[in-house]
Amino acid sequence: AQKITQTQPGMFVQEKEAVTLDCTYDTSDPSYGLFWYKQPSSGEMIFLIYQGSYDQQNATEGRYSLNFQKARKSANLVISASQLGDSAMYFCAMREGGYSSASKIIFGSGTRLSIRP
Amino acid sequence: KAGVTQTPRYLIKTRGQQVTLSCSPISGHRSVSWYQQTPGQGLQFLFEYFSETQRNKGNFPGRFSGRQFSNSRSEMNVSTLELGDSALYLCASSLGVAGHQETQYFGPGTRLLVL
Repeated sequence: AQKITQTQPGMFVQEKEAVTLDCTYDTSDPSYGLFWYKQPSSGEMIFLIYQGSYDQQNATEGRYSLNFQKARKSANLVISASQLGDSAMYFCAMREGGYSSASKIIFGSGTRLSIRP
Repeated sequence: KAGVTQTPRYLIKTRGQQVTLSCSPISGHRSVSWYQQTPGQGLQFLFEYFSETQRNKGNFPGRFSGRQFSNSRSEMNVSTLELGDSALYLCASSLGVAGHQETQYFGPGTRLLVL
């Protein structure tokens, strides 16, 4: 069965520092996608970045990059040059299945990131 | 392009009542998923609708139901409300056809408080 684990309930980071949020996953399906979402205190989940299981390179989106280590089944989110606005809950998520399948997304328990000025 | 909209944003109900929440997906998206988020249980999947049919279902009692209309808008209904139903209910839309590459985009959520 698919599973997502985020072992850091909370983190404090100094502004402008880089931060890595950990995510490990478990699946027996060779086709899967990994996602990171940000949830500010307002509640809305904001999509940040996606990595496919067959992607050869790590995904990047602006200050966000995904450190994808397939053999270790980890998909850590790296935020470079953190800003006060990065303070939020961050969720790692995974969806299994081939191109036309209809599997559901499962989410980890989240990491609360707090940026110190 | 407009994002996912959810109405109402806030709701207060009493035990035993029922509630209907609404979600309008991003234009062109045919899949709508619903999630319940509580501090204790985290983010839990309720169900997914695609082309007016329920395609996936989470592990929730039958008091939780949903439907999708021909314009892809979706409603979620909770009958006989319990205190434990107090939560943030999130709706997410996606194209519905891209498998594991499919990205879901979330609405702002509906905060339900059951007294």
